[in-house]
Amino acid sequence: GQNIDQPTEMTATEGAIVQINCTYQTSGFNGLFWYQQHAGEAPTFLSYNVLDGLEEKGRFSSFLSRSKGYSYLLLKELQMKDSASYLCAVTDSNYQLIWGAGTKLIIKP
Amino acid sequence: EAQVTQNPRYLITVTGKKLTVTCSQNMNHEYMSWYRQDPGLGLRQIYYSMNVEVTDKGDVPEGYKVSRKEKRNFPLILESPSPNQTSLYFCASSKALDLNTGELFFGEGSRLTVL
Repeated sequence: GQNIDQPTEMTATEGAIVQINCTYQTSGFNGLFWYQQHAGEAPTFLSYNVLDGLEEKGRFSSFLSRSKGYSYLLLKELQMKDSASYLCAVTDSNYQLIWGAGTKLIIKP
Repeated sequence: EAQVTQNPRYLITVTGKKLTVTCSQNMNHEYMSWYRQDPGLGLRQIYYSMNVEVTDKGDVPEGYKVSRKEKRNFPLILESPSPNQTSLYFCASSKALDLNTGELFFGEGSRLTVL
């Protein structure tokens, strides 16, 4: 079966750095994505990785290792507005998006 | 403004009473999709459409119908809602060519309660 695992909840301090991990087992792979979802709102696109390595976009970076079936989202200089759920998703061989259950990130002052 | 619009945003209904959740996008996107989101389960795809008059089942299609008569609209129909369809529903769209980059544009969500 297809499976995406990420921690249910994480807590971090304002101004710090946090890494949210995602591991996946899917039938084929055509890309990995991270979305941010604030409580009660729609998910919004953060990043996309298809090749191994690190993609940096401002305070957010996303890393992919295809051989390990592993990705992480790195958030730097955390701000209170970063409190949200972070969803990992993988496109399988049929270009269907498989979603993880999401990681709820709590930022404390 | 580019957007995906869903209606209603909130609805409480009773078992068996047919309802439709509308979804409309103004970005000329070919691809549209419906998801439901339940605590601890993540987003699960109900149905999707690659273009007008083309629809396919997702992971959890039972109890739902869709249609794609026009490019901009993709309504979700619950012919006979049951309590296990109580959920948060999202409509999403994308350019077909962008599917493999995963940038979906989501509506604001429709919270449905079936009593």
